[in-house]
Parts: sequence; structure tokens; C-alpha cells
Amino acid sequence: QLQLQESGPGLVKPSEPLSLTCSVSGGSISSYYWSWIRQPPGKGLEWIGYMSYSGSTTYNPSLKSRVTMSVDTSTNQFSLRLSSVTAADTAVYYCARETGQRHYYDSRGYFYYMDVWGKGTTVTVSS
Amino acid sequence: DIQMTQSPSSLSAFVGDRVTITCRASQTITRYLNWYQQKPGKAPKLLIYAASSLQSGVPSRFSGSASGTDFTLTISSLQPEDFATYYCQQSYSTPRTFGQGTKVEIK
Repeated sequence: QLQLQESGPGLVKPSEPLSLTCSVSGGSISSYYWSWIRQPPGKGLEWIGYMSYSGSTTYNPSLKSRVTMSVDTSTNQFSLRLSSVTAADTAVYYCARETGQRHYYDSRGYFYYMDVWGKGTTVTVSS
Repeated sequence: DIQMTQSPSSLSAFVGDRVTITCRASQTITRYLNWYQQKPGKAPKLLIYAASSLQSGVPSRFSGSASGTDFTLTISSLQPEDFATYYCQQSYSTPRTFGQGTKVEIK
């Protein structure tokens, strides 16, 4: 059974970078899309972006200038780096797998959904 | 970005009630709509994908439907373990976007 586990520092100082890693176990990272989502305290879910196992990335335009994602297929891990953090970046950060189901409903060909999530890691930005 | 608007933001219901949550997309997303359940302190859990397909292992009391840009999540008979916050999410385009959530509480 595929499992995801986020890891990284729980406290980051303002203006410094935030770095998180998601470890994938019970399956290979060499397929699918691998996503990061965050949730500020008491608020809703925000999609940060995703990357394929081959390294192609798509970021949320609202964060694009500060986000970098990378993948290491040799260790079955993928990572998130968010630069120049502020208090507004305080949140629970989740990693998730986005998978697709083939269909012939339209020309797009696949219905995509996030079916496996990590438990989340809390990151607080504070001096 | 595609905006997803859920209603209501919260609701109170009795165990055994039929509960309906609505999600409206700001533009056409055909059937590229997913529903998630989140309990306090836990990660979201996929319930429904492609508007009406039940994820493996999810009880059949959960169902989804679509009509134009309006989508509905229905719980046919609310159970104690269903009290949670529910989010819709579109996967028609990037950035992926979520509704603001609907909190289902015990009456």
C-alpha cells in the first residue's frame, strides 16, 4: 500500500527558505504526478503545484516566483522549496499523489484526482 | 484560475439525515470534479472523483452528481463518522483549486 510521509523543519525564520521532503514507500515514484498542498491554520486547502517523475513541473501562479520542486527517483523522494517565507506561509503542508483514470468522455483523456496523501507536517514561520 | 464556490459553508444535521452539499465552478469543468473529506488534524481523503465515481473503499451512502457547472455531494444517511469538513476540487486545469469547504456538524 502506497504511503507518503512529509519531513522537514517545523519552524522557519521569516525571509529564509522552507524545504520539505516527501518520502514515498510501498510503491515507485516513477509514474504519476506528485503534488504539494498546504492549509493555513483554520483555513482551506491551497494547491502549491506538482511535478512528474520525469521532473516536469507546474506551479500555482500565486507562488510560482518562490517555488521549486524536485524529484529523486533513486531515493523515491520528492521535495518542495519555498523561498523568502513570511508568516502567511505558516500552514500544514501535505504531499499527495495525483493519478489519472483513462476515459473517452472527451479529448482530454484522463480524469485526475489526488488519491493518496501524506499525514501533513506543520510549518510555522516565526523569528 | 477556476473559482470553486461551495454552499453552505456549514450545516448541522442529525444522524440518519440526508445531507446535500453543492459546489459551483466559475466556468465549465465538465466532469473534472473531485470531493474530499477532512477530519480535524487529518489529511483530506478522496471520496468521489470524476463528479460521480466512488473511490474504492468509500461507503455507498456517498454519491456525487453534476449538472452544468453545479456539482452535488450527497450523503444518503449521515453516520457519526461523517461529521467532518468536505471540499470540492477541480482537475480541469491548473492551478488546481478547491472550494472553501463545508463543515458538517452534529445537531
